[in-house]
Amino acid sequence: GNSVTQMEGPVTLSEEAFLTINCTYTATGYPSLFWYVQYPGEGLQLLLKATKADDKGSNKGFEATYRKETTSFHLEKGSVQVSDSAVYFCALQDNAGGTSYGKLTFGQGTILTVHP
Amino acid sequence: DGGITQSPKYLFRKEGQNVTLSCEQNLNHDAMYWYRQDPGQGLRLIYYSQIVNDFQKGDIAEGYSVSREKKESFPLTVTSAQKNPTAFYLCASSGTGGKQPQHFGDGTRLSIL
Repeated sequence: GNSVTQMEGPVTLSEEAFLTINCTYTATGYPSLFWYVQYPGEGLQLLLKATKADDKGSNKGFEATYRKETTSFHLEKGSVQVSDSAVYFCALQDNAGGTSYGKLTFGQGTILTVHP
Repeated sequence: DGGITQSPKYLFRKEGQNVTLSCEQNLNHDAMYWYRQDPGQGLRLIYYSQIVNDFQKGDIAEGYSVSREKKESFPLTVTSAQKNPTAFYLCASSGTGGKQPQHFGDGTRLSIL
């Protein structure tokens, strides 16, 4: 079956530091990949996405590249801010068809705390 | 503004009681989903529906039930058979044509009295 593995947290950084959160996946076929962000007490917001190999998703200074050869989709940001403190989820969407079509499989989430 | 509305934000359940969580969307999405989130864990799929009057069990459907009588509504009932219902419940929706991302509501936090 499909699975997503994220680097374990929590991750604590100083403001303006470089961020990497690792994400690797196992899937059949050609899934779509997503990063979602969750602020305290809220639902998930879509941060960025990539739908095919070598696609780069980007938003709000965050980037992630769909690497089929390494089955990875690592999240990066060059200079984090205190407002980036949240939980980040990597997710895989099944595009293989049938009753599983469109279903999301999530990693366990990585808590990011950024200090001033 | 289009979006997904979950209500209530907080809900308390007594032992042996069924409770229903509401999820409404005005995004004209065909597919809707219910997830459960526990501390330190990712989201786990409870039920999903790709079209009105049809729904499928997810990975942890036991103790839960759903209905999909209208395109915009997908209520979740947490029954007394669910022995550990305390969790954060998230509803999502998406289009079904192609690789559509899911959009989430703000969640309902369910606790046991």
